[in-house]
Amino acid sequence: DGGITQSPKYLFRKEGQNVTLSCEQNLNHDAMYWYRQDPGQGLRLIYYSQIVNDFQKGDIAEGYSVSREKKESFPLTVTSAQKNPTAFYLCASSGVGVSGGASSLGTGELFFGEGSRLTVL
Amino acid sequence: RKEVEQDPGPFNVPEGATVAFNCTYSNSASQSFFWYRQDCRKEPKLLMSVYSSGNEDGRFTAQLNRASQYISLLIRDSKLSDSATYLCLVRISSGSARQLTFGSGTQLTVLP
Repeated sequence: DGGITQSPKYLFRKEGQNVTLSCEQNLNHDAMYWYRQDPGQGLRLIYYSQIVNDFQKGDIAEGYSVSREKKESFPLTVTSAQKNPTAFYLCASSGVGVSGGASSLGTGELFFGEGSRLTVL
Repeated sequence: RKEVEQDPGPFNVPEGATVAFNCTYSNSASQSFFWYRQDCRKEPKLLMSVYSSGNEDGRFTAQLNRASQYISLLIRDSKLSDSATYLCLVRISSGSARQLTFGSGTQLTVLP
């Protein structure tokens, strides 16, 4: 079945360590996103990518980095510069893009992975 | 003013009640609208898209009011399993990955 896979589901990190969260999709979507959600709060956009080898900062990019070397993959690194990294991280993809192919356009809704819960000890 | 606003609730309603949520948006160029459901500690899942003419899916009805710039979600005959947070998503341009904004969510609790 097509979908988005995030790993790990739970991650514990010591202060000062970088960690990388994996996000893979087989929906043939051009656009991918990373969101952060804190308890009782809404979703905040960290980074997004519309095409391979290109990505843009969202609203809270400081302390995070991403790469988009393949269409299917959009890993997020939480660096030691992120002051308060404990949160629920959600990866999403969307059928919107510049390629123009029917498989990549979709109707614009986001599809989410199951999330990765990061706790800093 | 936020781009997309939702009443955070919580809305506590008895089983069988009808409940409605609104989501207002500030950008008149917004083109696509969606309602998501998020259970506690889970990812948001698409509940339904919102079409210009309004649309219904079982007990759920979504409507768009472009003149007043809001979308609504109506839930009839509420079930205990409807308890969740409901998020609206507004997309400005179908060609842009960036121009989409979530509301902060409305929490619904259906009571027995």
